[in-house]
Amino acid sequence: DIQMTQSPSSLSASVGDRVTITCRASQTISGYLNWYQQKPGKAPKLLIYAASSLQSGVPSRFSGSGSGTNFTLTITSLQPEDFATYYCQEKVFGQGTKVEMK
Amino acid sequence: EVQLVESGGDLVKPGGSLRLSCAASGFTFNNAWMSWVRQAPGKGLEWIGRIKSKSDAGTTDYAAPVKGRFTISRDDSKNTLYLQMNSLKTEDTAVYYCTTDRKWLIPTLDYWGQGTLVTVSS
Repeated sequence: DIQMTQSPSSLSASVGDRVTITCRASQTISGYLNWYQQKPGKAPKLLIYAASSLQSGVPSRFSGSGSGTNFTLTITSLQPEDFATYYCQEKVFGQGTKVEMK
Repeated sequence: EVQLVESGGDLVKPGGSLRLSCAASGFTFNNAWMSWVRQAPGKGLEWIGRIKSKSDAGTTDYAAPVKGRFTISRDDSKNTLYLQMNSLKTEDTAVYYCTTDRKWLIPTLDYWGQGTLVTVSS
């Protein structure tokens, strides 16, 4: 199975910061990658599909890029509601990146 | 509005069996692909498996840790998805989510239920 490795595992940031989360696949997956956001006690929410396509209703401050084995989720100006855990996913999920308030 | 409501979570002994259900509404269930995802307490997400629509042959695909023990099925007449879990292990303890799954090469999970808790313990 393909393994997905996210970095960092956690980060501290302030409102207004630009945040970047990286996801690396153990072998090439073309553009077959999704990103999800999960808040405590809630079900995850699809943010980005096909590496760079924004899911309907998701704010434009979220963006995704990459192909092959290296992918990135960027939040251009972190908002209070963005403090959460983020997961990349091919079939297998990455281990998650927790975005905490500095 | 899409709604997915899971049920059937319980405390079960190792080696036991359990069947989860997911009642779907607000979309054309018989045309949908569906997946199950789980999350162990305090841990990350784990995709378990998916089932395609009958018009797409109704085929299933499973993650390695559950292959041969778990079975996904559907009853389109009842708009209900099922997860039959056999030979349960303590490491199967998790919240189990039912999701819609876009018709794409990889599971792309756009609507989620609220989850149901399965605890495997003696």
